[in-house]
Amino acid sequence: EAGVAQSPRYKIIEKRQSVAFWCNPISGHATLYWYQQILGQGPKLLIQFQNNGVVDDSQLPKDRFSAERLKGVDSTLKIQPAKLEDSAVYLCASSPLGAAGGLYEQYFGPGTRLTVT
Amino acid sequence: QQQVKQSPQSLIVQKGGISIINCAYENTAFDYFPWYQQFPGKGPALLIAIRPDVSEKKEGRFTISFNKSAKQFSLHIMDSQPGDSATYFCAASMKNTDKLIFGTGTRLQVFP
Repeated sequence: EAGVAQSPRYKIIEKRQSVAFWCNPISGHATLYWYQQILGQGPKLLIQFQNNGVVDDSQLPKDRFSAERLKGVDSTLKIQPAKLEDSAVYLCASSPLGAAGGLYEQYFGPGTRLTVT
Repeated sequence: QQQVKQSPQSLIVQKGGISIINCAYENTAFDYFPWYQQFPGKGPALLIAIRPDVSEKKEGRFTISFNKSAKQFSLHIMDSQPGDSATYFCAASMKNTDKLIFGTGTRLQVFP
């Protein structure tokens, strides 16, 4: 079974530029998550999709971050404009259904390392 | 209330030794406590998880000890191996939600 795919793996941009990350979840997984992992910290959930609907985006900085999951499969996360503090690894994860308090495991992709200069 | 506090930040253990990582939480609504293992350049992977209705869960060399009254849980790695060298994260989530709250991570180094 193929894992969660993410691209690009690395990205370097200047502040105020825009950037987009792509995620392809495990086939058949209904739920998709985007996490931000700042160096030295644990992952923080940014947004959760169930199929193509948003379940939780309470920690997404909506003035600069946006995400979509068209057709309930692939997803893109965009930052516009980027700030220095956005430097982090952006992780995508998927699970077969809503993880429902741990009922289903969340499978993580390798992440995209973003550096904002 | 939503935080999960993890210690130590880093840990050095000799091969064959026991590695112990501790986590503490405040929110009594948490009812699922997983541990994730992350190697450099990789995403976190679920290692072992526990619910508060049991005090201990063991899978191979990995054991979670859970103390509900103290609101603490810990990961024990027996017979630690160099291949266990990674960053370990504890996490917690509430009943009927998918939102994982992660600890800050522990970098484990196991020397031969």
